[in-house]
Amino acid sequence: DAGVIQSPRHEVTEMGQEVTLRCKPISGHDYLFWYRQTMMRGLELLIYFNNNVPIDDSGMPEDRFSAKMPNASFSTLKIQPSEPRDSAVYFCASSLGASEGEQFFGPGTRLTVL
Amino acid sequence: LAKTTQPISMDSYEGQEVNITCSHNNIATNDYITWYQQFPSQGPRFIIQGYKTKVTNEVASLFIPADRKSSTLSLPRVSLSDTAVYYCLVHTGGFKTIFGAGTRLFVKA
Repeated sequence: DAGVIQSPRHEVTEMGQEVTLRCKPISGHDYLFWYRQTMMRGLELLIYFNNNVPIDDSGMPEDRFSAKMPNASFSTLKIQPSEPRDSAVYFCASSLGASEGEQFFGPGTRLTVL
Repeated sequence: LAKTTQPISMDSYEGQEVNITCSHNNIATNDYITWYQQFPSQGPRFIIQGYKTKVTNEVASLFIPADRKSSTLSLPRVSLSDTAVYYCLVHTGGFKTIFGAGTRLFVKA
């Protein structure tokens, strides 16, 4: 398996633009997580899904952020409109329900909002 | 959710054993203890997980005392490539994982 795949790897956009980050989890994994990492706040859990259903989105910073998982092999995190303070590395991770601790992380998307 | 406390940074030399201790005083009965490693420009990578006593795998050992209020990650004979940030987490089966600030380990030649 190729592991968790994220695209794009780097994104530079201007304030006010819509940004869509994409994630393909490991096949067979039933949990999917979105994280954001910054120097100031560290690694924060934004939202996670189980069997494509959002379970906990309490980490989503505000209404500008939304996440979807239309099927077991694809998820998106959208920011609309983007702001400079959204600049961060966004990680997607997936796990198999039976292995409670082991999440497999993707390479991340480095987002820069100018 | 249990809060964890770890040293901000540690230095070591190649070939030494490194022990990183994490405090989690309010750990709940059902909480597991998990450690991750993160290299620059990469996502975190699972190292080891335990509930009590001692767990060992090919990478590390995890020591958990009977009261479970702390845990120690032990890395035997570190090399330069073990320079990374190490995160201790406690969590239940709810999967809501909270990463703290982690411990930045720097291994010197």
